[in-house]
Amino acid sequence: GDSVTQMEGPVTLSEEAFLTINCTYTATGYPSLFWYVQYPGEGLQLLLKATKADDKGSNKGFEATYRKETTSFHLEKGSVQVSDSAVYFCALTVIQGAQKLVFGQGTRLTINP
Amino acid sequence: GAVVSQHPSWVICKSGTSVKIECRSLDFQATTMFWYRQFPKQSLMLMATSNEGSKATYEQGVEKDKFLINHASLTLSTLTVTSAHPEDSSFYICSAAQPRSYEQYFGPGTRLTVT
Repeated sequence: GDSVTQMEGPVTLSEEAFLTINCTYTATGYPSLFWYVQYPGEGLQLLLKATKADDKGSNKGFEATYRKETTSFHLEKGSVQVSDSAVYFCALTVIQGAQKLVFGQGTRLTINP
Repeated sequence: GAVVSQHPSWVICKSGTSVKIECRSLDFQATTMFWYRQFPKQSLMLMATSNEGSKATYEQGVEKDKFLINHASLTLSTLTVTSAHPEDSSFYICSAAQPRSYEQYFGPGTRLTVT
């Protein structure tokens, strides 16, 4: 079945550090890939997405590239801020059929000033 | 745009009672709505998919008689937890999708505590 694996958290960094959160997937079809962010006390928000191989999704300084050859969609940001502290979820959906999202386990990120 | 609301945002109920949670798409029509459950520090687990005007499709292991889902209109879906028990305490999140779109918009969640 389809699945998503994220790097274990929690991750703690200092402000302005470089961030990478690894995400790999297995899918029977040709998935679209997503990163969602959940700030404390809030619902999930779509951070970025990519729908085909080699697409790069970007938003708010975050980037992720759809790598079909390595089945990966790693999230990166060059300089994190305290306000980036949240839980990040990698997810996929297979285009054909139902729109079900399959989530990774989430990575809690804390940025210290 | 694409705002989804949930009500209530939190609820405490006694064991054995039933609780209804509403999910509304405020500025778009949602042909499909999803209900998830999130345990502390864990990922979201899809419970069921509901399409407007038809019966919900439940994921394996989810009791359909315990978690009643109704999607009576294009902007409203409800989840009723029947005969709630402490193990049903969790964070319930809904999402909504527009027709022919793979993008889901999430509600802020409802925290249920069963005492």
